[in-house]
Amino acid sequence: GAGVSQTPSNKVTEKGKYVELRCDPISGHTALYWYRQSLGQGPEFLIYFQGTGAADDSGLPNDRFFAVRPEGSVSTLKIQRTERGDSAVYLCASSLMGRTNTGELFFGEGSRLTVL
Amino acid sequence: GENVEQHPSTLSVQEGDSAVIKCTYSDSASNYFPWYKQELGKRPQLIIDIRSNVGEKKDQRIAVTLNKTAKHFSLHITETQPEDSAVYFCAASTQAGTALIFGKGTTLSVSS
Repeated sequence: GAGVSQTPSNKVTEKGKYVELRCDPISGHTALYWYRQSLGQGPEFLIYFQGTGAADDSGLPNDRFFAVRPEGSVSTLKIQRTERGDSAVYLCASSLMGRTNTGELFFGEGSRLTVL
Repeated sequence: GENVEQHPSTLSVQEGDSAVIKCTYSDSASNYFPWYKQELGKRPQLIIDIRSNVGEKKDQRIAVTLNKTAKHFSLHITETQPEDSAVYFCAASTQAGTALIFGKGTTLSVSS
């Protein structure tokens, strides 16, 4: 596609439920990133994939968060036992090159998660 | 790990004035410093970046300066226009280059 695509654009769920957020990066981009953005804050790094593997997952806040990218393209961010504090916009970005300092990050429009 | 501080949090200028946003970073190994613009409800988009082997970079009305010794970098927008109104984020790469760490953002308002 022309840009990074994220679905759903909005997700409302109840506390304790399981949520999956999907990211379809720009075709040919090997690097994929997940960020979380709370209101009035900058994007907060969660995880970085190079191809199929998670090269840096140091930003995942706890073991309720998990992400996969099984074929090196589409990625899914999975959140178990959601809490109200998980409410945020989850941004996905992709890059042609493998490191942030070698290529521009192209962001998607984000998935807005609201946990009631 | 890397920590990025950004100031001011809000900035209001008159059309035609200049705007300056400043950031500091903590990791001396960081070597890439991009600036992103985010309009309300939209995705962040890269507007300019600078690498550690360069002290200044310009692109039309936008310039970025980097002081590696002091570990700070700044965004300069000249002849501001209402369409420059947005939230601006600075960022710095981690030492491994596997992530960008963002500042908290500056909301720029340009009034005509």
